[in-house]
Amino acid sequence: AQRVTQPEKLLSVFKGAPVELKCNYSYSGSPELFWYVQYSRQRLQLLLRHISRESIKGFTADLNKGETSFHLKKPFAQEEDSAMYYCALSGSDYKLSFGAGTTVTVRA
Amino acid sequence: DADVTQTPRNRITKTGKRIMLECSQTKGHDRMYWYRQDPGLGLRLIYYSFDVKDINKGEISDGYSVSRQAQAKFSLSLESAIPNQTALYFCATSGRGEQFFGPGTRLTVL
Repeated sequence: AQRVTQPEKLLSVFKGAPVELKCNYSYSGSPELFWYVQYSRQRLQLLLRHISRESIKGFTADLNKGETSFHLKKPFAQEEDSAMYYCALSGSDYKLSFGAGTTVTVRA
Repeated sequence: DADVTQTPRNRITKTGKRIMLECSQTKGHDRMYWYRQDPGLGLRLIYYSFDVKDINKGEISDGYSVSRQAQAKFSLSLESAIPNQTALYFCATSGRGEQFFGPGTRLTVL
């Protein structure tokens, strides 16, 4: 079975401060990990995926297989980063399992 | 992203009514999915389809049914709606890996 855990439901940071969203997973094989973002009143969209190793909007995430984690980080949060963030895992069957989500609020 | 569309966008209905939510995509993907989003629970998979002849139950399929009318169309039905089916419903499509989501349908069952 595959499972994704996001321990923080809410995260509030000040503009310019670092932000880290935690994601832990359980999966017996080799998963593909994603971060999706949902801005207010908008659809979910892909933020980044671990195989691309890109930095999108200043966010990065590193897959740590030893700790089964895929934490999302940004060194300097911006107000436009306020959104709901979902960590997701895809196994060999191409189904996505989502975490419960973390709501990020960036304060001026 | 108008590649994945859902109708209706909002719907209020009564307990016991039959409801159909529709999803269309122009991305040419074979794989399509239906999720529901509830506060504190994230997105949960209801049904998914990997091609027109393939339909599979997700983790919360009870009370729902689907129809894959064509590669581009995937409908979700609630045969007899109940209040705990009040949620935001998302359709998604994928090729290999990334899923693309529709705008969502907000369903309220009174």
